[in-house]
Amino acid sequence: GQQVMQIPQYQHVQEGEDFTTYCNSSTTLSNIQWYKQRPGGHPVFLIQLVKSGEVKKQKRLTFQFGEAKKNSSLHITATQTTDVGTYFCAGQTIKAAGNKLTFGGGTRVLVKP
Amino acid sequence: NAGVTQTPKFRVLKTGQSMTLLCAQDMNHEYMYWYRQDPGMGLRLIHYSVGEGTTAKGEVPDGYNVSRLKKQNFLLGLESAAPSQTSVYFCASSSNRGNNQPQHFGDGTRLSIL
Repeated sequence: GQQVMQIPQYQHVQEGEDFTTYCNSSTTLSNIQWYKQRPGGHPVFLIQLVKSGEVKKQKRLTFQFGEAKKNSSLHITATQTTDVGTYFCAGQTIKAAGNKLTFGGGTRVLVKP
Repeated sequence: NAGVTQTPKFRVLKTGQSMTLLCAQDMNHEYMYWYRQDPGMGLRLIHYSVGEGTTAKGEVPDGYNVSRLKKQNFLLGLESAAPSQTSVYFCASSSNRGNNQPQHFGDGTRLSIL
């Protein structure tokens, strides 16, 4: 079945530094979504990428969808303590029944002040 | 705005006991989902529903049953709880208006099986 892998599993970042988390799918995707889960909380939708090579920005967060629509990345600049949490990518294949998503294992981000 | 509401928030069961987790959404969404979250494994889909009266298996359905008798409610049942089912359970819903719809999650149910 479809698999979505995320690396790294953990990311320790000094406040103010940049980092990137990567997401790779075993199959071609129709779209990829990113979610953020704060410690003790629930996943919250951040953004969705649909087009090949698409790049979207949300303030200090930059999301990219690969040309082959099998990989994606999230880059955070000037990390802040508010960025602490686990970031999940979730892929949807073409005509997925019920708009099902396959989630990656997540990248847990810890920020050192 | 309640969104997606899950009850209970916490529960401890003994092996072999049964229980039902409740999920309710007030966004008139057609699609609903049950996930379990274990450390380092992300969210794994247990069962899902594309509408009232319909359910389908996800990635890890064994040991669970579901029912969607009303559009706004999606119930997850454990008939005979096992320690391997200790996890955090999330319910989610999404619109059926085309692809690319985000999922909205409840606050989760933290379930421990002793």
